[in-house]
Amino acid sequence: DAMVIQNPRYQVTQFGKPVTLSCSQTLNHNVMYWYQQKSSQAPKLLFHYYDKDFNNEADTPDNFQSRRPNTSFCFLDIRSPGLGDAAMYLCATSTLTRGYNEQFFGPGTRLTVL
Amino acid sequence: GNSVTQMEGPVTLSEEAFLTINCTYTATGYPSLFWYVQYPGEGLQLLLKATKADDKGSNKGFEATYRKETTSFHLEKGSVQVSDSAVYFCALNNAGNMLTFGGGTRLMVKP
Repeated sequence: DAMVIQNPRYQVTQFGKPVTLSCSQTLNHNVMYWYQQKSSQAPKLLFHYYDKDFNNEADTPDNFQSRRPNTSFCFLDIRSPGLGDAAMYLCATSTLTRGYNEQFFGPGTRLTVL
Repeated sequence: GNSVTQMEGPVTLSEEAFLTINCTYTATGYPSLFWYVQYPGEGLQLLLKATKADDKGSNKGFEATYRKETTSFHLEKGSVQVSDSAVYFCALNNAGNMLTFGGGTRLMVKP
């Protein structure tokens, strides 16, 4: 089945130790998104890619970076995680066509910062 | 700008009760409207959608009707089950690919 896959599902890191979360998709969608979600609040968009075109949200901290080496994969790098970065990180994909575009979400990676 | 407001939870119901979760929106133009569901420890799943006024989205016994005159997209289910316990997010998509989410409503269904 076509899907969005996130690895790992659970990640534990230490304060200040860089961590990378990964997302892959078999949907061949050209748009990929990273969201941060805390405590069942609404997901907060961090950034997204239209193909290789990177779009950062204005209030996304510089501590968060992303890479998209090809259509299928996208990575979220947190350079120096703080306690406040503990959250669920959701990856999503969609197509780029006129009209509405449904976003397909992965299962998420829960990040714990010790 | 775009915004979505949904009723605060938690909503606690007994099994087989009727469910309504209110959602209203503010947007220019003609947004598409969505309900997403998030089960404990999981990502978001699309529950249903409507792309134009008077459309009714439905799935798994849930329904929502796109009401442009009241700018609403209320979620309803006639008989909830324990397995429906989750967080429900109303969202809109307007003139582009970005989703605007409501704050989420936690539903707890007791046997």
